[in-house]
Amino acid sequence: AQSVSQHNHHVILSEAASLELGCNYSYGGTVNLFWYVQYPGQHLQLLLKYFSGDPLVKGIKGFEAEFIKSKFSFNLRKPSVQWSDTAEYFCAVNARAGNNRKLIWGLGTSLAVNP
Amino acid sequence: GAGVSQTPSNKVTEKGKYVELRCDPISGHTALYWYRQSLGQGPEFLIYFQGTGAADDSGLPNDRFFAVRPEGSVSTLKIQRTERGDSAVYLCASSSSGATYNEQFFGPGTRLTVL
Repeated sequence: AQSVSQHNHHVILSEAASLELGCNYSYGGTVNLFWYVQYPGQHLQLLLKYFSGDPLVKGIKGFEAEFIKSKFSFNLRKPSVQWSDTAEYFCAVNARAGNNRKLIWGLGTSLAVNP
Repeated sequence: GAGVSQTPSNKVTEKGKYVELRCDPISGHTALYWYRQSLGQGPEFLIYFQGTGAADDSGLPNDRFFAVRPEGSVSTLKIQRTERGDSAVYLCASSSSGATYNEQFFGPGTRLTVL
């Protein structure tokens, strides 16, 4: 069965620190990859996605992620975090097989940025 | 509409009762998804509609759960004989088509508590 693993459940950083959140998935075929964010009191919203092409994708608010196929990874990065980045971050994977539309999600990483 | 809406925002019910949760997707979105999110977990796929039909209901946990989308817009998730383990936030999402790389737009969720 497909699964998604997010390595860090809780991360605490100071403003201007660099961020890297790990995401690994288990599926041997072609995938679409997503990072979603949930700010306090708000809905889940898309940060960025990868489905083909350049494995380094850029999203909103200065976030980027790199797809490394050989490592089954899609880590999220930001060079300098802000207090407003405090949120829950979810990695999700869709296995491109037939008519599959399911997103399989990681447990999420709670990020707290101290001002 | 401006975004995905879900009603009610909170539902408290007693074990054994029947509940209905409603989702209004973004106008014109043909694809609609239901997820369930328990505390400390990522969303868990339940069912996907393309238009009026359930294209994938493999995530429904058992036959107490059923969902409909009779006119291809609003969807209702129905849970019979509720159990305490059904307590969770039920999320609805919609996208402009069934393409797997399309962004899913999420609603605020319905928090279901089964006493």
